[in-house]
Amino acid sequence: DAGITQSPRHKVTETGTPVTLRCHQTENHRYMYWYRQDPGHGLRLIHYSYGVKDTDKGEVSDGYSVSRSKTEDFLLTLESATSSQTSVYFCAISESTTNQETQYFGPGTRLLVL
Amino acid sequence: EDQVTQSPEALRLQEGESSSLNCSYTVSGLRGLFWYRQDPGKGPEFLFTLYSAGEEKEKERLKATLTKKESFLHITAPKPEDSATYLCAVQAGGSEKLVFGKGTKLTVNP
Repeated sequence: DAGITQSPRHKVTETGTPVTLRCHQTENHRYMYWYRQDPGHGLRLIHYSYGVKDTDKGEVSDGYSVSRSKTEDFLLTLESATSSQTSVYFCAISESTTNQETQYFGPGTRLLVL
Repeated sequence: EDQVTQSPEALRLQEGESSSLNCSYTVSGLRGLFWYRQDPGKGPEFLFTLYSAGEEKEKERLKATLTKKESFLHITAPKPEDSATYLCAVQAGGSEKLVFGKGTKLTVNP
């Protein structure tokens, strides 16, 4: 599982409320990612980070911000949650070896915005 | 724009009935093609990365192959525990983004 944990695992919130999701990794990986997964769309990249304080946008970044103040933690913030942000959110890390490069995913956070 | 199309959307097999899942892709300079397995309520589990046409990788009853336009995930003599959604993704050269298909939901009946 590449030592990835996400918190909370489930959350219910109301429209207009700020929400922060946390991704924590234990293996000092440089690259970290946030994806969302919705029926009919598959997994889509929100934001990613390539180092402490270094982040970039993915394809569905509107309404989301991220921060990475420590290598092990990557935070995703919904400044003012909307119902369209109801989704399952996955964090991932990138691992490269001599023979292989891949992304490993965390267990996910299920978010419901009422 | 990079795109991934997986077919079929759903597949039902009897235990022991071999079959293949398809992943068609368009990408500007393939850096890697990835296969994942996802069980309900869980995160995607990495299976394979393929890099160039002609490459093949195997793991237990699964074999992934790659051409310049598509990848196949062959499942030989499947068991009920192989039931899951299988996801395909591509990564373009110079990009950190994985572009995913919508997945194939495989059900293997005993």
